[in-house]
Amino acid sequence: AQSVSQHNHHVILSEAASLELGCNYSYGGTVNLFWYVQYPGQHLQLLLKYFSGDPLVKGIKGFEAEFIKSKFSFNLRKPSVQWSDTAEYFCAVNSGNTPLVFGKGTRLSVIA
Amino acid sequence: DGGITQSPKYLFRKEGQNVTLSCEQNLNHDAMYWYRQDPGQGLRLIYYSQIVNDFQKGDIAEGYSVSREKKESFPLTVTSAQKNPTAFYLCASSIGNRGRLGNQPQHFGDGTRLSIL
Repeated sequence: AQSVSQHNHHVILSEAASLELGCNYSYGGTVNLFWYVQYPGQHLQLLLKYFSGDPLVKGIKGFEAEFIKSKFSFNLRKPSVQWSDTAEYFCAVNSGNTPLVFGKGTRLSVIA
Repeated sequence: DGGITQSPKYLFRKEGQNVTLSCEQNLNHDAMYWYRQDPGQGLRLIYYSQIVNDFQKGDIAEGYSVSREKKESFPLTVTSAQKNPTAFYLCASSIGNRGRLGNQPQHFGDGTRLSIL
């Protein structure tokens, strides 16, 4: 069965700091990878997705993620965070005809 | 404006009662899903449906039931058999392709928060 690990439960950063949130998955076959964000009081929104091709994927709001197949990783990055990036971030994976499997989420708090 | 509507936003239940959470989508998506979100647990799949009149259990289906009589609707019933129903419930949908889920992203509703009185 697929599983997703997000190692950071809560990350606190100052504005303008760089962000990297870890995501590792367990599945040996072809996977589709997603990052979702949940801003306070809002529904989950898709940040970016990877299916195939260039392993460096760019998403909305300046976020990017890199798929490293050998490490089973899909880490989320942003060069300079803003206060408005405060949210919970979820990594998710599926393959073929399976529903998304989500990680437990990482709460990001950005302080001024 | 296309999207997913979940109602009600807040729901209170007495112990021993069944309650039904509504989920409607006007995105013309084939696939629909129910997740439960608990603090520190992420999203856990309760049930999903790839096509009308068909649905499958997810990882935590015990104590829940669903129906998919119409493409746009996927109600979730939390039965009295669910011993810990207090949670935030999220409904989602995705395009699907001839009954397959594929690699399409899921779109989410705003959620229903269920509490036990």
